[in-house]
Amino acid sequence: KAGVTQTPRYLIKTRGQQVTLSCSPISGHRSVSWYQQTPGQGLQFLFEYFSETQRNKGNFPGRFSGRQFSNSRSEMNVSTLELGDSALYLCASSEMGQGYEQYFGPGTRLTVT
Amino acid sequence: AQTVTQSQPEMSVQEAETVTLSCTYDTSESDYYLFWYKQPPSRQMILVIRQEAYKQQNATENRFSVNFQKAAKSFSLKISDSQLGDAAMYFCAYEFSGNTPLVFGKGTRLSVIA
Repeated sequence: KAGVTQTPRYLIKTRGQQVTLSCSPISGHRSVSWYQQTPGQGLQFLFEYFSETQRNKGNFPGRFSGRQFSNSRSEMNVSTLELGDSALYLCASSEMGQGYEQYFGPGTRLTVT
Repeated sequence: AQTVTQSQPEMSVQEAETVTLSCTYDTSESDYYLFWYKQPPSRQMILVIRQEAYKQQNATENRFSVNFQKAAKSFSLKISDSQLGDAAMYFCAYEFSGNTPLVFGKGTRLSVIA
């Protein structure tokens, strides 16, 4: 099976712009989770989608949003970008989510200038 | 809120030697899962080992094993016969069985010296 793919791999944006990141999970996986990774804060959970429904949400402002499509592909959107949004955004998929192994994608490196 | 603490920001080990990475967590739950993830310089995070809290037997995966002490809320990772390819960031993670997301520690950077 193909692994988790994320596009784009690298992105440079300007403050105030918005950005959309995409994640394609492993075939058959219905759960997709998003994480933000920064040197200072480490790995922080953003949200999880399961069968097109947001099942869990982390402690991030409303500028961060996501969705999942019927084919389990997921997108994450960040509006009104701030310098602090610069991070590696990781997507992970699993069969059911809870307790199951999460398979991570290579990440999208977002730089906000 | 559950927290995961990795007290060793950096560790090093000689090739072929054994190293133990520490992890403690804080929870009031009795049923949960614990994981060790490895993130090599290429950035692709991969699962190393998984432990279910209700199982007393420590999980083992080839050269990787854990020492799970539920009462002490400790979950250390032992890497035997260390190889150059083991060099990476290692993250300890906790997941409550009640359908909540993974909580990660800050990570331990492991260097392997030839």
